[in-house]
Amino acid sequence: QVQLQQSGPGLVKPSQTLSLTCAISGDSVSSNSAAWNWIRQSPSRGLEYLGRTYYRSKWYNDYAVSVKSRITINPDTSKNQFSLQLNSVTPEDTAVYYCARDRGVYGAVRIDYWGQGTLVTVSS
Amino acid sequence: DIQMTQSPSSLSASVGDRVTITCQASQDISNYLNWYQQKPGKAPKLLIYDASNLETGVPSRFSGSGSGTDFTFTISSLQPEDIATYYCQQYDNLGFTFGPGTKVNIK
Repeated sequence: QVQLQQSGPGLVKPSQTLSLTCAISGDSVSSNSAAWNWIRQSPSRGLEYLGRTYYRSKWYNDYAVSVKSRITINPDTSKNQFSLQLNSVTPEDTAVYYCARDRGVYGAVRIDYWGQGTLVTVSS
Repeated sequence: DIQMTQSPSSLSASVGDRVTITCQASQDISNYLNWYQQKPGKAPKLLIYDASNLETGVPSRFSGSGSGTDFTFTISSLQPEDIATYYCQQYDNLGFTFGPGTKVNIK
């Protein structure tokens, strides 16, 4: 059974960096048949894909155009986890943030496991 | 970016009713379309993948159909535990986008 456990602060000041971590159990961040995603949800923007990291003989990252200039997703193989950093946040970045596993292969997407969600509020 | 629309945005139906939700993509996405259920305070749950394939463990009253730009999600006999918001999701080589959701209530 795969479990994803999120950690990180729930309050971030404007212009600062949002940082979250997702610890994986029951699978490996280095799996050749999974991708590790960050997704957020807010009333104004709905469910929004932010980006993903995955290993296919080497590491790859994909980022949504909307956040591409501000986002970094990194795997940490020593701790079997992956992280999200979102720079220069504004109140528009206030949302529930989820980490999630995609088990799809050959370009298919099947988001089958999710973290518990972290409400991140951007406010001074 | 591929945009997704859903209709209706909300509906009320009686237990046992057949419920249908539609999802439209702004361009041809073949069958690269999934459906998720989200209950309040919980993460979404995958129900249908690739337009019409039932995820393991999901009750058979849920089904999906369609290809290209027009897709349908059906609950054949609405149950009280189906109260939730349902989202379609398209995927491509750039990632994925979700529809705005359809909130299903019991009448």
